Amino acid sequence: DSGVTQTPKHLITATGQRVTLRCSPRSGDLSVYWYQQSLDQGLQFLIQYYNGEERAKGNILERFSAQQFPDLHSELNLSSLELGDSALYFCASSAPGAYNEQFFGPGTRLTVL
Amino acid sequence: AQSVTQLGSHVSVSEGALVLLRCNYSSSVPPYLFWYVQYPNQGLQLLLKYTTGATLVKGINGFEAEFKKSETSFHLTKPSAHMSDAAEYFCAVSVNSGYSTLTFGKGTMLLVSP
Repeated sequence: DSGVTQTPKHLITATGQRVTLRCSPRSGDLSVYWYQQSLDQGLQFLIQYYNGEERAKGNILERFSAQQFPDLHSELNLSSLELGDSALYFCASSAPGAYNEQFFGPGTRLTVL
Repeated sequence: AQSVTQLGSHVSVSEGALVLLRCNYSSSVPPYLFWYVQYPNQGLQLLLKYTTGATLVKGINGFEAEFKKSETSFHLTKPSAHMSDAAEYFCAVSVNSGYSTLTFGKGTMLLVSP
């Protein structure tokens, strides 16, 4: 158990819908990262937040957005869902000054039908 | 910017054989290097890391890796494979920068046969 929690574990929805994935980092960690993992694209970095502020952006679509709240939990919002958005979405967290060593949550499996 | 290349998307070994998973990195500044393991339907778990100091690092489950600056490599090894080692392994690199993130390789699936 890494200490990073993600909900829900599974999510099934239809094309065109909007979903929200939630992540709680390890106690004391200020950075939260979101990743998408799919068979064809592999593990892709989406976005990073540090203490409530966006720190880095990766291959995140404009239909996707994220935020980190004052209590440091984070949400990833996916809208206008397409079949190709079906994937595993991971959240990770890291402590300040920890060489970017990241601890991963168990993931949310999103299925878009 | 940094990058990681993992040679071989799949590696097959017999139980008890040496495991060698290859990772080469590219970085313009001294890197921090990591190996993660992912079991089916689970998140990534840190196996080991190199930050500074000793270039041979030992991790969990009997794995170790050696940082070789001259070869820009960080290969993962284990003397004797166990069936439970079957998983996907990811090499990752970051640098000492406040805005640096982890860059992952594409992963290598380790298959262990009896």
